[in-house]
Amino acid sequence: QKEVEQNSGPLSVPEGAIASLNCTYSDRGSQSFFWYRQYSGKSPELIMSIYSNGDKEDGRFTAQLNKASQYVSLLIRDSQPSDSATYLCAVTGTGFQKLVFGTGTRLLVSP
Amino acid sequence: DARVTQTPRHKVTEMGQEVTMRCQPILGHNTVFWYRQTMMQGLELLAYFRNRAPLDDSGMPKDRFSAEMPDATLATLKIQPSEPRDSAVYFCASGSRDGSTDTQYFGPGTRLTVL
Repeated sequence: QKEVEQNSGPLSVPEGAIASLNCTYSDRGSQSFFWYRQYSGKSPELIMSIYSNGDKEDGRFTAQLNKASQYVSLLIRDSQPSDSATYLCAVTGTGFQKLVFGTGTRLLVSP
Repeated sequence: DARVTQTPRHKVTEMGQEVTMRCQPILGHNTVFWYRQTMMQGLELLAYFRNRAPLDDSGMPKDRFSAEMPDATLATLKIQPSEPRDSAVYFCASGSRDGSTDTQYFGPGTRLTVL
């Protein structure tokens, strides 16, 4: 079992819709959770971090964390074609010192 | 606008040659990470440093890879000898401590092709 799992996609949504990206993790000791966006041929870019259960909103993005169920999700409201990218979920391993990345979900937003 | 810089951005070399990749972390960040990204394996952590000291290099093939931080503004990743299977994008990230976790910021990467 991989430590951080994501559906590889592609997840296709029409412009203006809500895109929902999900991630599960195996280490119950994980404390910090991150979402990175990566455009093709570019480096990962941090878009959200979340540390406690519940929702955290930043503009059109909302991160949701449920430690009991070991999942973290990212909602993108009013999706735009420019949101088309691969979204990487990253979780700290035990000891907080390094991130473990999922393989990413490719999102396609069609005009 | 503080950014992580990496050189070279692209490198094509022949099998057996030495490859050196360089990274300048964001000023003030004391943690540096080296990752490798391939289509098959995704993003893999190779090594990381805190305050220039290596903390974990368990993800790195020890026989051919080496990582160092000669000073706080420079991190290097060397491959000697290089092999075709080393072809990948190598990212450096520097970390800013936030509580117990480093928030990591990635450089643009070095795209390595070993023929």
